Amino acid sequence: NAGVMQNPRHLVRRRGQEARLRCSPMKGHSHVYWYRQLPEEGLKFMVYLQKENIIDESGMPKERFSAEFPKEGPSILRIQQVVRGDSAAYFCASSPSSRGETDTQYFGPGTRLTVL
Amino acid sequence: KQEVTQIPAALSVPEGENLVLNCSFTDSAIYNLQWFRQDPGKGLTSLLLIQSSQREQTSGRLNASLDKSSGRSTLYIAASQPGDSATYLCAANSGGYQKVTFGTGTKLQVIP
Repeated sequence: NAGVMQNPRHLVRRRGQEARLRCSPMKGHSHVYWYRQLPEEGLKFMVYLQKENIIDESGMPKERFSAEFPKEGPSILRIQQVVRGDSAAYFCASSPSSRGETDTQYFGPGTRLTVL
Repeated sequence: KQEVTQIPAALSVPEGENLVLNCSFTDSAIYNLQWFRQDPGKGLTSLLLIQSSQREQTSGRLNASLDKSSGRSTLYIAASQPGDSATYLCAANSGGYQKVTFGTGTKLQVIP
């Protein structure tokens, strides 16, 4: 069973471009979580999605950021008109359920976004 | 709102020393607490997961304890090695679903 996969692992964008980060959850997992780690800071929750639904986006910046988890295919975190402050490591995690008392989240290797 | 704090922020010890990393959380209503290791520029490696009903978990030279009532967890590393040098993160899983709150980490350096 392959782990959580993220691609690309490294992404370089110029200011004003769009960044698309992909996350394929573990097989059988229908819950996906995105986290952002700014330089020298801890990981911060961004958004929690189930298939075709956004459950909690309280950690997402109000503008330029969006996330989706379609019925088929990976979850996508999209950042429009990137700015230098978006440079960070973006981690995706998945779980088989939302039951924290029995299940845990499994993390992907992350995508490191650099905005020039 | 859950807040997770890790002390110290950085720690440097000679090889072979036993050490303790501390993690505190403000909301004791957690489902589990997890310790991760992160190497520079790398992803997260899960070390130990303690469910809310458990008091401790052990894996090799690592032992993690959990005291929900006091809002604390510790990660004990025995006989430290240079390969243990990394940033250690604790994460509290709380809320109606799996909303994980991370601490800011302890950066450990083990000197040969």
